[in-house]
This record gives sequence, structure tokens and C-alpha cells, in this order.
Amino acid sequence: AQSVTQPDIHITVSEGASLELRCNYSYGATPYLFWYVQSPGQGLQLLLKYFSGDTLVQGIKGFEAEFKRSQSSFNLRKPSVHWSDAAEYFCAVLNYGGSQGNLIFGKGTKLSVKP
Amino acid sequence: GAGVSQTPSNKVTEKGKYVELRCDPISGHTALYWYRQSLGQGPEFLIYFQGTGAADDSGLPNDRFFAVRPEGSVSTLKIQRTERGDSAVYLCASSWGRGSGNTIYFGEGSWLTVV
Repeated sequence: AQSVTQPDIHITVSEGASLELRCNYSYGATPYLFWYVQSPGQGLQLLLKYFSGDTLVQGIKGFEAEFKRSQSSFNLRKPSVHWSDAAEYFCAVLNYGGSQGNLIFGKGTKLSVKP
Repeated sequence: GAGVSQTPSNKVTEKGKYVELRCDPISGHTALYWYRQSLGQGPEFLIYFQGTGAADDSGLPNDRFFAVRPEGSVSTLKIQRTERGDSAVYLCASSWGRGSGNTIYFGEGSWLTVV
């Protein structure tokens, strides 16, 4: 069965520092990959997605992610973190054989930002 | 409305009772999804509607869970004989049309606590 692993449960970075959140997936073919952010009192918001083509994907709020097939990874990065980026981040893969919107999510990484 | 609206935002019910959770998708969105998010976990897919029909209900955990979307807009998730393990945030989401490339917009969720 497909799965998504986010190895880091909680990460703390200083404001202005760079950020990388890790995501590994298990799937044989080219996956459809997503990163979502969940802030308290707000719904999940799509940051970016990868379906095919350029392996470096740009998203909203200054985030980017790189698909690396050889490592089965889709890590999320941001060069300079802002205090407002504190939230929980979820990586997801489209369930192969499932319908549109049938996503398999990782357990999430909670990001704290130090002033 | 501007976003996906879910009611109630919070619901406490006794074990064995029946519960209904309502979702009002973004106007014009034909696709609607229900997810469940337990504490410390990522969202889990439950069901996907395209119009009035359930196109994929593979995520419903058992026959106590049922969802309807009779007019292709508002949807209701129904849980019979609730159990303590049903306690979770139930997320509704919607997207335009068909295709995995369409952005899925999530609501803030309905927090269900079964005591």
C-alpha cells in the first residue's frame, strides 16, 4: 500500500533562517504529490503540487519543493522563514487507483518559529 | 460563501447517539470530499462526490458512516451509533469539476467528541 512518511514530528527554526521539511513516499510510478499547511482555526491550504515535468516546484508564500525520484522524496523548502509560517505541514500523495481527491497524507510536521 | 463552510464547528455527543455533520462547498464546485483527522494524524480520505453521486466511498470505515449530497451542493455526513473512536475532526473539501489537477479547498472542520 502507498504511504507517506514525514520523519520530523516537530521542528523549530529561528525567524529568517532557512527551512526544509522532509517527505518520503512509497509508490512505484510517478506520483502526484502535494504539500498542505494547516494553521489553527484555518482549513488545510494547498502550498504546491507536483504531477510531472520540472522537478522543482514553486508554490505560494515563497515555498518550493523538489521531487527526487531516486530518493522517493518531495522535500519542502523556504529560504527565509517568517513568524507567520508557524503551522503544521502535511505532505500527501494521490492514492493510485483511487479517485481524484483520494489523498494519502503523512502525519504532519509542526513548525515553530523562534523570534 | 467564499469558502467551504462546515457546521457545527464543535459537537459533543454521547456514545451510541446519531450525529450529522453538514458541509456547504464553494459555490459552483461539483466535487466534494470528506476526510477525517484524528489527533496527531494526517487527514484520512472518507468519500468523494461528483455531483450527487458518491464516486469513491472506499474510505468509509464501516457501515455506521454514510454521506449524502442530494442536490449536488450541500453534503451531510451521518454517523450512527457513535463510538469513542469516532472522535476526530471531520474535514470537508471541494474542488471544481473533474481531474486530480484541480485545487482542493478545505473547510475548517467539525470537531466531534464522543463521550
